[in-house]
Amino acid sequence: GAVVSQHPSWVICKSGTSVKIECRSLDFQATTMFWYRQFPKQSLMLMATSNEGSKATYEQGVEKDKFLINHASLTLSTLTVTSAHPEDSSFYICSARQTEVGNQPQHFGDGTRLSIL
Amino acid sequence: GQNIDQPTEMTATEGAIVQINCTYQTSGFNGLFWYQQHAGEAPTFLSYNVLDGLEEKGRFSSFLSRSKGYSYLLLKELQMKDSASYLCAVTPRAGNNRKLIWGLGTSLAVNP
Repeated sequence: GAVVSQHPSWVICKSGTSVKIECRSLDFQATTMFWYRQFPKQSLMLMATSNEGSKATYEQGVEKDKFLINHASLTLSTLTVTSAHPEDSSFYICSARQTEVGNQPQHFGDGTRLSIL
Repeated sequence: GQNIDQPTEMTATEGAIVQINCTYQTSGFNGLFWYQQHAGEAPTFLSYNVLDGLEEKGRFSSFLSRSKGYSYLLLKELQMKDSASYLCAVTPRAGNNRKLIWGLGTSLAVNP
């Protein structure tokens, strides 16, 4: 149980393109999902907390108009990188927790490697 | 502020035991997690501690001392596949969002 699916796993596109990344909890409902980015040999950086049915909570320094998050259902959150540029190239990873009670761990998707040319 | 410290790199020999330490200073404490991350992959959950003491799970064990703000991950009978980054993360508070505060990770190299 507690499987998180992330798609696509790899994206290469031209500068100025918008890219949508999907994160699905396959066998559980997740009212909260998290979006991270990670640069090579660096730790995870939380970008935003995605809340089902409400606006995402962005971390300081993350542009909400640049990184659009939609959490329309209990099993799906999407991250759209708008007008992507080479500096947006990174490894983007989503996670979800199985339940809001207790202390369940975050389970991660396999990540999306984004390369902007 | 929120701060988690762990060694940047460690090296060990196949078959040996290694202990990866983590110290934390956070505004609150509602649990500590250890994750393993292989290069180019997403993190996978290893262990969780919220009460003081040792939690054992196969070759991996995790210890917590809340009074000292300290945890360690113990890996026994090391295998080459254990070469990875090990991330310590703390949940400062309870609540629905309960985001994690992450350490920078310890890169473990297991040599034959």
